[in-house]
Amino acid sequence: DGGITQSPKYLFRKEGQNVTLSCEQNLNHDAMYWYRQDPGQGLRLIYYSQIVNDFQKGDIAEGYSVSREKKESFPLTVTSAQKNPTAFYLCASKRQAGRDIQYFGAGTRLSVL
Amino acid sequence: GIQVEQSPPDLILQEGANSTLRCNFSDSVNNLQWFHQNPWGQLINLFYIPSGTKQNGRLSATTVATERYSLLYISSSQTTDSGVYFCAVDMIQGAQKLVFGQGTRLTINP
Repeated sequence: DGGITQSPKYLFRKEGQNVTLSCEQNLNHDAMYWYRQDPGQGLRLIYYSQIVNDFQKGDIAEGYSVSREKKESFPLTVTSAQKNPTAFYLCASKRQAGRDIQYFGAGTRLSVL
Repeated sequence: GIQVEQSPPDLILQEGANSTLRCNFSDSVNNLQWFHQNPWGQLINLFYIPSGTKQNGRLSATTVATERYSLLYISSSQTTDSGVYFCAVDMIQGAQKLVFGQGTRLTINP
């Protein structure tokens, strides 16, 4: 089936640890995005990539890092510098930059032990 | 940056009722989408509607771009319509990244 796959669904992080969230899409989309959602809030943009080997910071990039080595993959690393990482993380993609529909994965819930 | 405001923040209705959700935005937009977030967190795309009117079953949406607002109508509500509805826009100028409103939490009681 075509779509966006995020893994794992649940993730626990210990103090001082880096963790990586996976996002894979088989839609042949050029643009990919990472959002963070806190309880009762809307989504906020962390990073986005419009093309392979290129990405830009969103509104809340501090404490996060990404890579885009392949068109279908856009992993997000939550580093130890992110002091409040507990949240719901959503990955999205769309065919191209500009007027087009953005589709979302099922999300990863990250908690701190 | 662009501001997106949704109203009402919460809405509680009986099954079978109709509802209207509103989204106001502060600048010209390239893209507007309505989403439904289910209890498991999945965001389901309802409408891609930068302008005009669309209908899909019991749901319809209208965007008046010149007046910077969009409306989502839900008719004959069912309990499965419960959840949070988000409006998201991106600006004509600058990178195409969605900015989300705070959402409307809809509860449909049987």
